[in-house]
Amino acid sequence: AAGVIQSPRHLIKEKRETATLKCYPIPRHDTVYWYQQGPGQDPQFLISFYEKMQSDKGSIPDRFSAQQFSDYHSELNMSSLELGDSALYFCASSLAFDRGKTEAFFGQGTRLTVV
Amino acid sequence: GENVEQHPSTLSVQEGDSAVIKCTYSDSASNYFPWYKQELGKGPQLIIDIRSNVGEKKDQRIAVTLNKTAKHFSLHITETQPEDSAVYFCARRNTGFQKLVFGTGTRLLVSP
Repeated sequence: AAGVIQSPRHLIKEKRETATLKCYPIPRHDTVYWYQQGPGQDPQFLISFYEKMQSDKGSIPDRFSAQQFSDYHSELNMSSLELGDSALYFCASSLAFDRGKTEAFFGQGTRLTVV
Repeated sequence: GENVEQHPSTLSVQEGDSAVIKCTYSDSASNYFPWYKQELGKGPQLIIDIRSNVGEKKDQRIAVTLNKTAKHFSLHITETQPEDSAVYFCARRNTGFQKLVFGTGTRLLVSP
């Protein structure tokens, strides 16, 4: 079965550069979520989108922005990168938000290293 | 509070033994409790979940129990195998919201 696809898998950037992470949800899933996972830590929720509209917001820095496009894929844009942004970034997708009755499936993640 | 407490942080068992991981939460609006398995370098994989109107759910060697009154839920793995070795995360989600709040993770090591 098709899974959540993230690209790139690995990314190395220098401080103050920008990065764009892409997420392609499972077919027919219209909700996407972004999570950040530091080394040895649990995933932290950043932001989510449902039907191309932001639906929930977590601890996403102002330097980051995200959007969901008409084909439901999503992009996380990160500017003025800092060393502390080095982490695994996961995208997850689910079926239409329905009062929490849907399961979220995660992609394999993008490992961002800021040097 | 928002956090989910998860114990133990590490768990070592012999192949064939059972493993139990426990999570505690405080937000009474939580109504969905999934468990994820994460292998090194991979994304979290949903292995089982339970909703607040159910007390127990089982899927082969994996079971989850929920005590909503006490606000805790547990993952039970029986007949453990070396391939069960991974980091396991519990999580919760509130009614009407989408984000998952994760526990701090349990590193399970199953020795042959």
